[in-house]
Amino acid sequence: GAGVSQTPSNKVTEKGKYVELRCDPISGHTALYWYRQSLGQGPEFLIYFQGTGAADDSGLPNDRFFAVRPEGSVSTLKIQRTERGDSAVYLCASSPAPRSSGANVLTFGAGSRLTVL
Amino acid sequence: AQSVTQLGSHVSVSEGALVLLRCNYSSSVPPYLFWYVQYPNQGLQLLLKYTSAATLVKGINGFEAEFKKSETSFHLTKPSAHMSDAAEYFCAVSTSGTYKYIFGTGTRLKVLA
Repeated sequence: GAGVSQTPSNKVTEKGKYVELRCDPISGHTALYWYRQSLGQGPEFLIYFQGTGAADDSGLPNDRFFAVRPEGSVSTLKIQRTERGDSAVYLCASSPAPRSSGANVLTFGAGSRLTVL
Repeated sequence: AQSVTQLGSHVSVSEGALVLLRCNYSSSVPPYLFWYVQYPNQGLQLLLKYTSAATLVKGINGFEAEFKKSETSFHLTKPSAHMSDAAEYFCAVSTSGTYKYIFGTGTRLKVLA
């Protein structure tokens, strides 16, 4: 697609529920990133995919968070047993392959706003 | 480890005045530096980037930033503020090979008529 698409744009759920957030990156971008932006803060890194594999998941806060990218394109961020502290905007970004032109520039989606009641 | 510090969470300027948003970074290897802008309910949009070429970088919407290694700074400037510049601005650092960005906490710019 022309840009990074994220769905849903807004998600309200109850504490303890399971949530999935989807990211559709720019066509041809092999790198995909998830960030979390809490109110009043800058985006915080969660996980980075190169192709289908998670190259760096050091930012995932705990084992309730998991992300997949089975075919190297669309990615899903999964949050189990949601807590009120998980409320934030979850941002997805993509970039071209490493060492290619523009590889170091991330293009962000508009984000998925998650509210846990 | 890398880090970014943005001084001033809120900055107000008059329309037509100089805009100066401060960013200092810490990196043990040569950094890549970026400024992104975020308008309400929108995603982050790249303003400009420094990737070890010219130290004065020009971006979109009349913004520019200068990489100063001795001061570990990458401040964002615009000679004359416009009402449409009101937004939140984020500075970020990354390094070659990882492309993982570390963001600052952001500066919200308010432009007064």
